[in-house]
Amino acid sequence: NAGVTQTPKFRILKIGQSMTLQCTQDMNHNYMYWYRQDPGMGLKLIYYSVGAGITDKGEVPNGYNVSRSTTEDFPLRLELAAPSQTSVYFCASRPLAGTGEQYFGPGTRLTVT
Amino acid sequence: QKEVEQDPGPLSVPEGAIVSLNCTYSNSAFQYFMWYRQYSRKGPELLMYTYSSGNKEDGRFTAQVDKSSKYISLFIRDSQPSDSATYLCAMTPGGSEKLVFGKGTKLTVNP
Repeated sequence: NAGVTQTPKFRILKIGQSMTLQCTQDMNHNYMYWYRQDPGMGLKLIYYSVGAGITDKGEVPNGYNVSRSTTEDFPLRLELAAPSQTSVYFCASRPLAGTGEQYFGPGTRLTVT
Repeated sequence: QKEVEQDPGPLSVPEGAIVSLNCTYSNSAFQYFMWYRQYSRKGPELLMYTYSSGNKEDGRFTAQVDKSSKYISLFIRDSQPSDSATYLCAMTPGGSEKLVFGKGTKLTVNP
């Protein structure tokens, strides 16, 4: 199993551009999450999904959109990128059962200039 | 009061030292407690999890939960330079979709 994979690893965007961060998991997990991590600020939840077709906002959803058409994929869309969206983005997943532990991807490092 | 508080450090220790990392929390509903390790420029990886109060040991690592004090700890014995990383605590009430994370403590083990 590859676990949680994310693409791209790095990206530089200009202000106002759009992009999609890809996340795929091959563990058949129901739950998937998007976080951003800024230096010294910990992980902040952007959006999450409890299954295909169901998504919900987290702590910092403004400027982002998500969709979940399959169990495996949970892309994060940035529209009209702003410098405040410069961050490291992590996707995570967890199974329906269990104790709530989440499994993380390697991250996408995004710079908006 | 924040739901989870974690001293950000940084913490620097010599190789072989015993390391103690801690988090406090305010929500008495938390039942599942986790520690994640995050190497520089990598994603967090699950290190240990415990349910309710008590200790759990895995090799050089021991996780401890004191629900009466709302305090959790991670002890690392015989610390190694390869333990240098940021350690994040996380917790959940159970039955919740979300984890609540601490901000992480950066640990450096010097050879």
